Amino acid sequence: KAGVTQTPRYLIKTRGQQVTLSCSPISGHRSVSWYQQTPGQGLQFLFEYFSETQRNKGNFPGRFSGRQFSNSRSEMNVSTLELGDSALYLCASSLVAGPNEKLFFGSGTQLSVL
Amino acid sequence: GQSLEQPSEVTAVEGAIVQINCTYQTSGFYGLSWYQQHDGGAPTFLSYNALDGLEETGRFSSFLSRSDSYGYLLLQELQMKDSASYFCAVPAGGATNKLIFGTGTLLAVQP
Repeated sequence: KAGVTQTPRYLIKTRGQQVTLSCSPISGHRSVSWYQQTPGQGLQFLFEYFSETQRNKGNFPGRFSGRQFSNSRSEMNVSTLELGDSALYLCASSLVAGPNEKLFFGSGTQLSVL
Repeated sequence: GQSLEQPSEVTAVEGAIVQINCTYQTSGFYGLSWYQQHDGGAPTFLSYNALDGLEETGRFSSFLSRSDSYGYLLLQELQMKDSASYFCAVPAGGATNKLIFGTGTLLAVQP
């Protein structure tokens, strides 16, 4: 069974641009969540989707948004990029949403904002 | 708020045993998980403790004491491939997969 796939693997953008990242969860997994990882702040929760509905959102500005499609694939978008948005963006999937669920992570998209 | 503290770095030699500690402060508690992340790679699930005590999975064990808000990951018979970052995490609770991650511990295994 294929793991969580994130594309692209690397991305370089300039300030003010926008970016869309893609995540394909493990087949059969309906819950997708996104995390931002930086050396200074560590792993921080962005948002979570289940059956195309956003279930939870982290403490990030409105420039960060996401969505989930009927096939459980998810995208996240960051508009008006800032230098501080440079980070590894990780997607994780699980069968269902719940506190005991084991998360399966993708290798992430490394975003560099210049 | 919720926070988890871990040592930033630990160094050990091949074949040794190492313990990575995690102390947490949470408004509610649903269990403690551990994830491993190699440099530039995906975090991978190692273990989960919902109740007090020791859980063993091969060379890795995880311990939880809810009364002390404390847990640890124990790695035995260290191998070079165990060099990675290790994160403890707690669920935010409710019908959500949201995890609050610890600060992470970088383990360096030396020959």
